[in-house]
Amino acid sequence: SQQGEEDPQALSIQEGENATMNCSYKTSINNLQWYRQNSGRGLVHLILIRSNEREKHSGRLRVTLDTSKKSSSLLITASRAADTASYFCATNDRGSTLGRLYFGRGTQLTVWP
Amino acid sequence: ETGVTQSPTHLIKTRGQQVTLRCSSQSGHNTVSWYQQALGQGPQFIFQYYREEENGRGNFPPRFSGLQFPNYSSELNVNALELDDSALYLCASSFRTGGILDEQYFGPGTRLTVT
Repeated sequence: SQQGEEDPQALSIQEGENATMNCSYKTSINNLQWYRQNSGRGLVHLILIRSNEREKHSGRLRVTLDTSKKSSSLLITASRAADTASYFCATNDRGSTLGRLYFGRGTQLTVWP
Repeated sequence: ETGVTQSPTHLIKTRGQQVTLRCSSQSGHNTVSWYQQALGQGPQFIFQYYREEENGRGNFPPRFSGLQFPNYSSELNVNALELDDSALYLCASSFRTGGILDEQYFGPGTRLTVT
């Protein structure tokens, strides 16, 4: 079963616009991670945010985490055509030393030139 | 590039056959996890190996098995292939210290098609 659920399922924007994707999950977590996947290839790790953090930045990426609402958001600013990909959130459950990740179905982002 | 490699890239097998997929972990990593990603879905956890032993398993039948070698490379074996086994198989390597797992880095995947 899947833990994280991304919203929207698909997002289409113009280059230069910002893209916001949301993730909701069900249980308490150690951390939440965002990944990007291009055309069914491998997953690229974007950012990890721990349960005691509220916001993290990496380049054009901004991730927020609200553990009270069990939700996270990924903001990509000034999007580029190369950002076109599927984006997944993945949670690591609290108390788990296994590091097992639970993924959602992803958001398909299309950025038009 | 994550430094995690997988082979082969693509594979076509017939129902009932057996398949072995390989993963080479990133240098310095001691843990490898395998995930199955069906078309249009997110990856699903199969199992994890740490120090050459299975360290946890998802909801997959025993015909999915694995190995981890002293150099931390790994194999995923699937026996009696079924059509539903068609998927992208991803391995992820990471470093475990003091019971805590660091970020996981994924390989490019092996696309398995079962006909």
